[in-house]
Amino acid sequence: EVQLVESGGGLVQPGGSLRLTCAASGFSFRSFNMNWVRQAPGKGLEWLAHISRNSDVIFHADSVKGRFTISRDNAKNSLYLQMNSLRDEDTAVYYCAKGTVATRPVFDFWGQGALVTVSS
Amino acid sequence: EIVMTQSPVTLSVSPGERATLSCRASQSVSSNLAWYQQKPGQAPRLLIYGASTRAAGIPARFSGSGSGTEFTLTITSLQSEDAAIYYCQECYHWPPTYTFGQGTKVEIK
Repeated sequence: EVQLVESGGGLVQPGGSLRLTCAASGFSFRSFNMNWVRQAPGKGLEWLAHISRNSDVIFHADSVKGRFTISRDNAKNSLYLQMNSLRDEDTAVYYCAKGTVATRPVFDFWGQGALVTVSS
Repeated sequence: EIVMTQSPVTLSVSPGERATLSCRASQSVSSNLAWYQQKPGQAPRLLIYGASTRAAGIPARFSGSGSGTEFTLTITSLQSEDAAIYYCQECYHWPPTYTFGQGTKVEIK
């Protein structure tokens, strides 16, 4: 059974940093691209970052480029999101999502999310 | 920048009836369109990809259609457990933008 479990969320002050971890199990983690998606309270879904199987292709959304960094460790079956210079508007539930094997992949499995609250 | 627009914002349907949700892209995304279902307090779940292919384990009452800029998600014979917010997502552009629509909330009458 595919499982994605996010951790590392919490309360942080504006300007602070946080690192989210997504622990993957139940599938060959190294064989799939991965993504981070967030959802502000009461709002819709926003894609944040994509990383290929071996980390050679990485993209970030413009809204977080230069502040957030996606990475992975295939030996540890883990996906990360380093978040720096956090702002109030970064308050959201952060999901990791597994990509499908396709030319234009979609997100076929999602974690339950980690809540990040940015507030003074 | 591509914009995905969903309509209606809220849809109220009686059990057993049909629900029709629309998604419009501001530019063509070919058939690179996915639909997700999100229930309160839960993560999104993939329903449809490639505009019309059901994901594994998705009931046959869910179907998708369309290409280019106009897409439809149809739920035939609506069940109480189908109450949720439904999002469309383009997966056409590369480098990716993975733009989501704003969602349609399906309520059970």
